Amino acid sequence: EAEVAQSPRYKITEKSQAVAFWCDPISGHATLYWYRQILGQGPELLVQFQDESVVDDSQLPKDRFSAERLKGVDSTLKIQPAELGDSAMYLCASSSLAGVNNEQFFGPGTRLTVL
Amino acid sequence: SQKIEQNSEALNIQEGKTATLTCNYTNYSPAYLQWYRQDPGRGPVFLLLIRENEKEKRKERLKVTFDTTLKQSLFHITASQPADSATYLCALEDMRFGAGTRLTVKP
Repeated sequence: EAEVAQSPRYKITEKSQAVAFWCDPISGHATLYWYRQILGQGPELLVQFQDESVVDDSQLPKDRFSAERLKGVDSTLKIQPAELGDSAMYLCASSSLAGVNNEQFFGPGTRLTVL
Repeated sequence: SQKIEQNSEALNIQEGKTATLTCNYTNYSPAYLQWYRQDPGRGPVFLLLIRENEKEKRKERLKVTFDTTLKQSLFHITASQPADSATYLCALEDMRFGAGTRLTVKP
């Protein structure tokens, strides 16, 4: 069964360092999402791509976060510089425009710890 | 601004009983609402979608209702099992998620 891949699964970094997360969506899924999930809270949408274009990045802290999906397939989310408050699970999800339920398929996430 | 709330952080029930979880939203009229299940350390998994013109949707032991007047969705798990223990999240069509309700089913 096709799955969304994310790497790394875990990342520990010191504040002020740069970190990057990678996501490979399910093949053929045009829509890709990055979420941040703080423990005990629901996922918070950071950015949504349709193919290679950004559809919604209104919640992305653009002073330190950036996201790209250059060829409309895999995507990278970067934080520079990382702050203590960025410690969270970063989830990637993808969906198909043809999906009946508009369901999102989530990857396993990257657990970021900023020291 | 729009808001989405799930009724409680945690719900504990006995095996075999029906679990009922609530999702309320304000300042929005979604065309549909989704429910997801999330296990610790994993990404959410889609369960059900209910559209604004549907009153009720069922899938095996799961049932979802949608009341657009009350701006509320109810999620029911009948004949609950310990394996149903997880966090359940509701999401609006704009991809905003509630904080989730952590369900524990005790044997």
